[in-house]
Amino acid sequence: EVQLVESGGGLVQPGRSLRLSCAASGFTFDYYGMHWVRQPPGKGLEWVAGLSYNSRTIGYADSVKGRFTISRDNAKNFLYLQMNSLRDEDTALYYCVKDLGTYYNGNPFDYWGQGTLVAVSS
Amino acid sequence: DIVMTQSPDSLAVSLGERATINCKSSQSVLYISNDENYLAWYQQKPGQPPKLLIYWASTRESGVPDRFSGSGSATDFTLTISSLQAEDVAIYYCQQYYSTPPTFGQGTKVEIK
Repeated sequence: EVQLVESGGGLVQPGRSLRLSCAASGFTFDYYGMHWVRQPPGKGLEWVAGLSYNSRTIGYADSVKGRFTISRDNAKNFLYLQMNSLRDEDTALYYCVKDLGTYYNGNPFDYWGQGTLVAVSS
Repeated sequence: DIVMTQSPDSLAVSLGERATINCKSSQSVLYISNDENYLAWYQQKPGQPPKLLIYWASTRESGVPDRFSGSGSATDFTLTISSLQAEDVAIYYCQQYYSTPPTFGQGTKVEIK
């Protein structure tokens, strides 16, 4: 059974940093692209970042480019999101998401974690 | 970025009746070289993460009931629930994965009339 378990969310002041983690199990982690997708409270879905199975290709939403960094550790089956210079508008539930394919583009998202809540407020 | 627009924003359907959700993309998501539409549908029930229902516009994900079907091509797509069940109450999102960034529609809330 595929499991994606996020952690690291919390309340943080604007301008500060936070690192999200996602523990993956139940599938061959280093075969698949992975993503972070966020959902502000009561709102829709926004793709944040994605990377290929081997981390060689990475993409970011314009809204987070230069502030967020996605990475993975295939030896430990973990996905990460380093979030710097956080803003109020980054407040959302952050989902760890598995791609159906090996890259981060060109395929749908077939498994989602339960999410970890990030609240940015002074 | 490709903008995905769903209609309606919400709909109420009687149990056993048909529900139809439309999704329009601001540009074609049909990849000519493989004749595939890079369009997926997701279901999000209250308090849960989204779940993949349909991809390549009309391919049902494993385990998804056959009352869910997807159709359309290029810029216009439809998700149909042929006979609405109580457990289908949810918000439904379309998504294009043709180009980066992948983008979602605003969601359509389906309720029981």
